[in-house]
Amino acid sequence: KAGVTQTPRYLIKTRGQQVTLSCSPISGHRSVSWYQQTPGQGLQFLFEYFSETQRNKGNFPGRFSGRQFSNSRSEMNVSTLELGDSALYLCASSLRTGSEQYFGPGTRLTVT
Amino acid sequence: AQSVTQLDSQVPVFEEAPVELRCNYSSSVSVYLFWYVQYPNQGLQLLLKYLSGSTLVKGINGFEAEFNKSQTSFHLRKPSVHISDTAEYFCAVSSVGYDKIIFGKGTRLHILP
Repeated sequence: KAGVTQTPRYLIKTRGQQVTLSCSPISGHRSVSWYQQTPGQGLQFLFEYFSETQRNKGNFPGRFSGRQFSNSRSEMNVSTLELGDSALYLCASSLRTGSEQYFGPGTRLTVT
Repeated sequence: AQSVTQLDSQVPVFEEAPVELRCNYSSSVSVYLFWYVQYPNQGLQLLLKYLSGSTLVKGINGFEAEFNKSQTSFHLRKPSVHISDTAEYFCAVSSVGYDKIIFGKGTRLHILP
């Protein structure tokens, strides 16, 4: 079975721009979660989608949004980028909410 | 609501020595427990999981963990570490009933030659 894929792997953006990251889950997995990882804050939960519905949400500003499509693929969008948004963004898929998650390699976003 | 605490942010250990990474959780209901490993510049990889049954769980790369309900702990152990075990390790918990997974802050394992 193919693992979780994330595109792009690396991204450089300028402050004020917006960015869209993509995640394709393992086949059959209906839950997709997004995390932000930084050296200072560690691993922080952004949101989780299950069957196209947002199930859980972390404590991030409204600039961070996401969606899930009928094929379970998910995208997250960050608008009006700030320098502090530079991070590794990880996507994880699972069969259902709360079951073991399988992570993609991440997208490294650098905001200049 | 559940929570998870990893008691050590960093653990240095000599190569071929045993190691224990500590994890405590809090939950008012039954839980599922997980350990993940993250090697540099990679995503997280599932090491092992406890869902039910035997309290001693064996995972990949020679790691094992023991679920202790009375102590609300799920410590990760390896009898002899190798330089390739250098990584960050995350403990995670979710409540039975499929609430979201909560991750600990991670423990960096440093292997000393």
